[in-house]
Amino acid sequence: QQPVQSPQAVILREGEDAVINCSSSKALYSVHWYRQKHGEAPVFLMILLKGGEQKGHEKISASFNEKKQQSSLYLTASQLSYSGTYFCGTEMRNAGGTSYGKLTFGQGTILTVHP
Amino acid sequence: DAGVIQSPRHEVTEMGQEVTLRCKPISGHNSLFWYRQTMMRGLELLIYFNNNVPIDDSGMPEDRFSAKMPNASFSTLKIQPSEPRDSAVYFCASSLLSRWYEQYFGPGTRLTVT
Repeated sequence: QQPVQSPQAVILREGEDAVINCSSSKALYSVHWYRQKHGEAPVFLMILLKGGEQKGHEKISASFNEKKQQSSLYLTASQLSYSGTYFCGTEMRNAGGTSYGKLTFGQGTILTVHP
Repeated sequence: DAGVIQSPRHEVTEMGQEVTLRCKPISGHNSLFWYRQTMMRGLELLIYFNNNVPIDDSGMPEDRFSAKMPNASFSTLKIQPSEPRDSAVYFCASSLLSRWYEQYFGPGTRLTVT
């Protein structure tokens, strides 16, 4: 089932902060964040595992609350290069703990940073 | 090192025609994924392979879609016959099986079916 991202779009000025949320109605094992610039392919940013929080990229960090089945991506002191569409991808596992080995992506959040 | 290579980059075809999309994964990667991206449905996983073996094709929309991976360096996604609703950007991505989540995407093939 596709995770839900919010907001759908964010407009910022350089230096401002933003938070992008990703939530699922199903139990998650991990959450993955990707960024896609216009006309380009998605690029992996970071992975968050159950019980962990990981900073992966520049001034971009994220958290994962497995009880709430939610993840948030934090962009601080935004730069023009942060503009793009951010996708969360969620991983589920079966009852035996085996990964399905695939991601289900949210609809994306369009982030626009202006000078 | 070269990234994931996809061809063609753009394809325009008429309804009913056969379309074949090609992908060369990053050398050494042993997992390969085919995605489709549309405005309406977002980024959807169609099928993925581990060590050239199809693992999950539950995302393949219909029997008109088929994918093969004859060796570690080449994969195809075929649509036959194509329909206008197949118009989308098709991405191929590859990864190491041990880090399957860190996927490297190709530039995509923009398919337009008229």
